[in-house]
Amino acid sequence: EVQLVESGGGLVQPGRSLRLSCAASGFTFSTYDMHWVRQAIGKGLEWVSGIGTAGDPYYPGSVKGRFTISRENAKNSVYLQMNSLRPGDTAVYYCARGVGRNGYDYWGQGTLVTVSS
Amino acid sequence: DIQMTQSPSSLSASVGDRVTITCRASQSISSYLNWFQQKPGKAPKLLIYATSSLQSGVPSRFSGSGSGTDFTLTISSLQPEDFATYYCQQSYSTPPTFGQGTKVEIK
Repeated sequence: EVQLVESGGGLVQPGRSLRLSCAASGFTFSTYDMHWVRQAIGKGLEWVSGIGTAGDPYYPGSVKGRFTISRENAKNSVYLQMNSLRPGDTAVYYCARGVGRNGYDYWGQGTLVTVSS
Repeated sequence: DIQMTQSPSSLSASVGDRVTITCRASQSISSYLNWFQQKPGKAPKLLIYATSSLQSGVPSRFSGSGSGTDFTLTISSLQPEDFATYYCQQSYSTPPTFGQGTKVEIK
């Protein structure tokens, strides 16, 4: 059974950093691209980063230069290092398995990040 | 970035109704269009990928169509478990972008 379990969320002050983790199981992790998608409370979905099987990262302009995605295939894990956090980064962050251009077929339960003083 | 616009933003329907949700892209995305369903407090679920391919385990009452800039998600006979928010997403170019969502509520 495919499982994705996020951790690392919490309350953080503006300008500080946080690192999210996603532990994967039930599939050959190294053969899939992985993504982070966030959702502010009561709002829509926003893709915030992706990483290919070769470790190639991708970001939207809203987080480029502040967020860094990485993966550790030996630990079946993907990470999101978030620096210079802003109140607008407050959201539930989901880890998702990518299937090329065919969307994301498995999602974690999400971890809440709250950026506030 | 490619903008995705869904309509309507919300709708009320009854069990058994045929429901259609529209998604328009700001430029052509070929057939690189996916649909997700999200229920309150839950992660999104992939319903349809590449415009019209049904994800494994998704009931056949869900269908998708379109190409270029205009796409539709149709639920042929709405069931109680279908009341949720639906999002389209383009995967034609980076960054992949989502529509704002369509909330399907009980009439």
